[in-house]
Amino acid sequence: AQTVTQSQPEMSVQEAETVTLSCTYDTSESDYYLFWYKQPPSRQMILVIRQEAYKQQNATENRFSVNFQKAAKSFSLKISDSQLGDAAMYFCARNYGGSQGNLIFGKGTKLSVKP
Amino acid sequence: NAGVMQNPRHLVRRRGQEARLRCSPMKGHSHVYWYRQLPEEGLKFMVYLQKENIIDESGMPKERFSAEFPKEGPSILRIQQVVRGDSAAYFCASSPRTGWDEQYFGPGTRLTVT
Repeated sequence: AQTVTQSQPEMSVQEAETVTLSCTYDTSESDYYLFWYKQPPSRQMILVIRQEAYKQQNATENRFSVNFQKAAKSFSLKISDSQLGDAAMYFCARNYGGSQGNLIFGKGTKLSVKP
Repeated sequence: NAGVMQNPRHLVRRRGQEARLRCSPMKGHSHVYWYRQLPEEGLKFMVYLQKENIIDESGMPKERFSAEFPKEGPSILRIQQVVRGDSAAYFCASSPRTGWDEQYFGPGTRLTVT
């Protein structure tokens, strides 16, 4: 089955602290992309970071970085120096693969940031 | 470069009516994806279209739902004879080519069926 699992429905972090959101996935393919999307209360889906499975180096985007463990099929998101604006739903996703490209999403983790 | 546009942002329909959701992809993008988000859920893939072609509709309910992406104009997701269970947020995304590219999402249309 093609699934993406986020085991933490809700997380909380203190402003300026670091938080890690977990994600595991299932796939039989060797080549694929993984994504973290942020959905604030406006509901707009915003791409936070992407990882290409064939790249061993973990992707980073400013305060956001991933820990990609291909053998374990794990793709966690680390947010450093958390800010109030980071509060949102975070969705992990992978592309379906082949020539299709449609995304499979997890159920999301609601992140709260305490001042 | 304008982003992905969706309209209307909010749509209220009574049971049995038709709902038409529109999506204008980013300029230069010829690939469109539709997703549905139920409350407290992640997005679920519905259909993938290229200009004038449906490439993958494996996520679309067999009855009452249809989608098109004509040569000219926006992509349309059409829901006939809506039921309460159709109430959800519907998101459109576009990409310049298939497979590996980032998908750019629109703001979504929230459909409420009364």
